[in-house]
Amino acid sequence: EVQLVASGGRVVQPGGSLRLSCEASGFSFDDFAVHWVRQAPGKGLEWVSLISGDGDRTYYADSMKGRFTVSRDNNKNSLFLEMTSLRSEDTAFYYCARDSGSGTYPFDYWGQGTLVTVSS
Amino acid sequence: DIQLTQSPSSLSASVGDRVTITCRASQTMSSYLNWYQQKPGRAPRLLISAASSLQSGVPSRFSGSGSGTEFTLIISSLEPEDFATYYCQQSYNTPPYTFGQGTKLEIK
Repeated sequence: EVQLVASGGRVVQPGGSLRLSCEASGFSFDDFAVHWVRQAPGKGLEWVSLISGDGDRTYYADSMKGRFTVSRDNNKNSLFLEMTSLRSEDTAFYYCARDSGSGTYPFDYWGQGTLVTVSS
Repeated sequence: DIQLTQSPSSLSASVGDRVTITCRASQTMSSYLNWYQQKPGRAPRLLISAASSLQSGVPSRFSGSGSGTEFTLIISSLEPEDFATYYCQQSYNTPPYTFGQGTKLEIK
């Protein structure tokens, strides 16, 4: 069974940093690209970042470029999102989601989300 | 970037109703359109990819159609478990992987 389990969310002060993790199981992790998607409370979905299966290629939404860094450790079946210079508008649930890798490349499996709250 | 506009933003309907949700794109994108369902407190779930391809395990009352700039999600006969928020998403011109603003389907 494919599973993605996100963790690391907590309350952090404005300007602070945080590292989120996503542990994958049930599939060959390094064969798939993985995304981060976020959702502010009561709001819609916003794509954050993508990392290729081998970790060589990374992509970011414009509002996160330079502040967020995505990485992965394929030996540990884990994905990470390093977030710096956090702002109140970064408050959201952060989901990791697997890229299907075929067809129209939908996000076919999602983790349960981890809540990041940026507040003083 | 491709912008996606869903209509309506919210919808009240009854069990057994037929429901149509539309997603319009700011530029043509072939059939690179996916639909997700999200229930409160849960992660999104992929329903339909490539505009009309139903994912394994998704009930056949769900269907999708469209290409180019206009896409439709239809639920042919609402069941109680279908009350949720639905999002379209484009994977044609990426990144970014844009989502529509969502359509909240509520019980009348």
